[in-house]
Amino acid sequence: QQPVQSPQAVILREGEDAVINCSSSKALYSVHWYRQKHGEAPVFLMILLKGGEQKGHEKISASFNEKKQQSSLYLTASQLSYSGTYFCGTEPQVSGGYNKLIFGAGTRLAVHP
Amino acid sequence: DTGVSQDPRHKITKRGQNVTFRCDPISEHNRLYWYRQTLGQGPEFLTYFQNEAQLEKSRLLSDRFSAERPKGSFSTLEIQRTEQGDSAMYLCASSLAGTTIPDNSPLHFGNGTRLTVT
Repeated sequence: QQPVQSPQAVILREGEDAVINCSSSKALYSVHWYRQKHGEAPVFLMILLKGGEQKGHEKISASFNEKKQQSSLYLTASQLSYSGTYFCGTEPQVSGGYNKLIFGAGTRLAVHP
Repeated sequence: DTGVSQDPRHKITKRGQNVTFRCDPISEHNRLYWYRQTLGQGPEFLTYFQNEAQLEKSRLLSDRFSAERPKGSFSTLEIQRTEQGDSAMYLCASSLAGTTIPDNSPLHFGNGTRLTVT
């Protein structure tokens, strides 16, 4: 039931782009994306609702393919501050709609100068 | 908005002892969640509250775990007779949930309590 994230790790040079994928075997209400830096709390980035929407947050955007139950997070022109672990949190439709998120194992992103 | 605060930040205990963690959510938030995170993994859902009512508890959670949210404000998570497998980061999150289903409000996490059971 845990969503599958890929890749597990990414190493970038500043200014490069990356894509992180999240795939669920369950029909979803929504997909949340969070970033966690070492020793800190996960920080909310954005929510994608069913309906195939796409959202953006500065140079970070995401999409949700409802038919495939897949979401992708796009990081463009990466900055050093983007380093951290990215988690997708999914809410299966069978869970009742109360935001009981199931998180993937995370994608570790390291951006170097 | 002072954020979600958790206390203590670190707890080291011996196997068999009881421990209690506290979470203070963002003041106007009506929903509170407890998650557990182990090294290299994403947060794992434990339980959640709508105001003072505990609405769901994960089936993965043994009877040694109990949580309360008196008066719908702060919450406590107690682990009785701790085991080495309980060692993890315990995260609390809160949200301001609306009346629609599904609720799509973002979760605001605290910095967590790191538990080490020796």
